Amino acid sequence: AQSVTQLGSHVSVSEGALVLLRCNYSSSVPPYLFWYVQYPNQGLQLLLKYTSAATLVKGINGFEAEFKKSETSFHLTKPSAHMSDAAEYFCAVSTGFQKLVFGTGTRLLVSP
Amino acid sequence: EAGVAQSPRYKIIEKRQSVAFWCNPISGHATLYWYQQILGQGPKLLIQFQNNGVVDDSQLPKDRFSAERLKGVDSTLKIQPAKLEDSAVYLCASSPGGSSAKNIQYFGAGTRLSVL
Repeated sequence: AQSVTQLGSHVSVSEGALVLLRCNYSSSVPPYLFWYVQYPNQGLQLLLKYTSAATLVKGINGFEAEFKKSETSFHLTKPSAHMSDAAEYFCAVSTGFQKLVFGTGTRLLVSP
Repeated sequence: EAGVAQSPRYKIIEKRQSVAFWCNPISGHATLYWYQQILGQGPKLLIQFQNNGVVDDSQLPKDRFSAERLKGVDSTLKIQPAKLEDSAVYLCASSPGGSSAKNIQYFGAGTRLSVL
């Protein structure tokens, strides 16, 4: 069965620093992978998705993620954090039939 | 384009009471999902509809939870009777449908339920 593991329930960075949020997946078939962001009291918003095209995927708000099959990873990065990036980030894998299985989430804290 | 609409945004009830949540998906989206998001966890799928038929309800606690999607558009999720452990955010999402696993799911803002 497909699953994702997000390492670190909380990540703290300073404004302007590199953001790195980790996601490892388990899938018996080539996966489709997604990163979603959730701001306080809001629903989830798609940041980016990997669907077997380019391994480096660019998303909204300056985020990108690289699919590494050998490492079964799909880590999310952003070169320079902004205060507005503070939110909860979820990695998800598609299990087919349009289903998503989500990780437990990583809360990003950005300090001035 | 209007997004996924959910109501109410917040609900506080006592245990053993009943509660209902409503969702209106993006126009034209065939697939509708209900998720339960417990504090500190990722969303967990409760039920998936394709038009007005159920595709997957394997994780729906059917002794107390029910959901319907009449006419293949909006949907209601009901809990009766509620338990303390049902306190969570209930998210509705929709997607265009079809067989592609690449379909993006669009989420509503959710209903935060507190069971006292």
